[in-house]
Amino acid sequence: DAKTTQPPSMDCAEGRAANLPCNHSTISGNEYVYWYRQIHSQGPQYIIHGLKNNETNEMASLIITEDRKSSTLILPHATLRDTAVYYCIVRVLMKTSYDKVIFGPGTSLSVIP
Amino acid sequence: DTAVSQTPKYLVTQMGNDKSIKCEQNLGHDTMYWYKQDSKKFLKIMFSYNNKELIINETVPNRFSPKSPDKAHLNLHINSLELGDSAVYFCASSLTSSGNTIYFGEGSWLTVV
Repeated sequence: DAKTTQPPSMDCAEGRAANLPCNHSTISGNEYVYWYRQIHSQGPQYIIHGLKNNETNEMASLIITEDRKSSTLILPHATLRDTAVYYCIVRVLMKTSYDKVIFGPGTSLSVIP
Repeated sequence: DTAVSQTPKYLVTQMGNDKSIKCEQNLGHDTMYWYKQDSKKFLKIMFSYNNKELIINETVPNRFSPKSPDKAHLNLHINSLELGDSAVYFCASSLTSSGNTIYFGEGSWLTVV
């Protein structure tokens, strides 16, 4: 089972910031939070990841709460092409040599003109 | 050049047939994966290989047999296809088996009739 919970769907007006929340209350100290998105009929695309500090790249910003039990993905200026399913993932460490990425149902973001 | 490429993109076949989906990555990664996305859109890991060795097998029916001739290739062979095998199959790769970003292919749409 996924270790994260996300709202099933959200709307965002084009040009506004999209804030996608994620709860991961059982996250362990060495587990990273990853965000992927899947645009219709395409493979999942990596967006960003973080451990405990806030992160920013050319696609998005990731805000992780101090207790690490939740995070928010921010798309600063949403466009129609950002319409997709967004997955918040905690990588589960199976052994020291490998981990497993478990996808939940994600949040379906609709960017509205 | 596509980093993770899989063929065919679309496949329609009859029940009982045997089919293969091929995957290649040109990223120099050690680890490759097969994921299945069913009609409910849940993305589930099936197999993971690290340097040609199986490290994750998610209790997939033994009609599914992955084969990794070298670390750049991970093919999925399916025997005796069933209606329930209809899904989108995604190949993916990562630098190592733990803690690295996973890059996905564009998917192979399998329809069993």
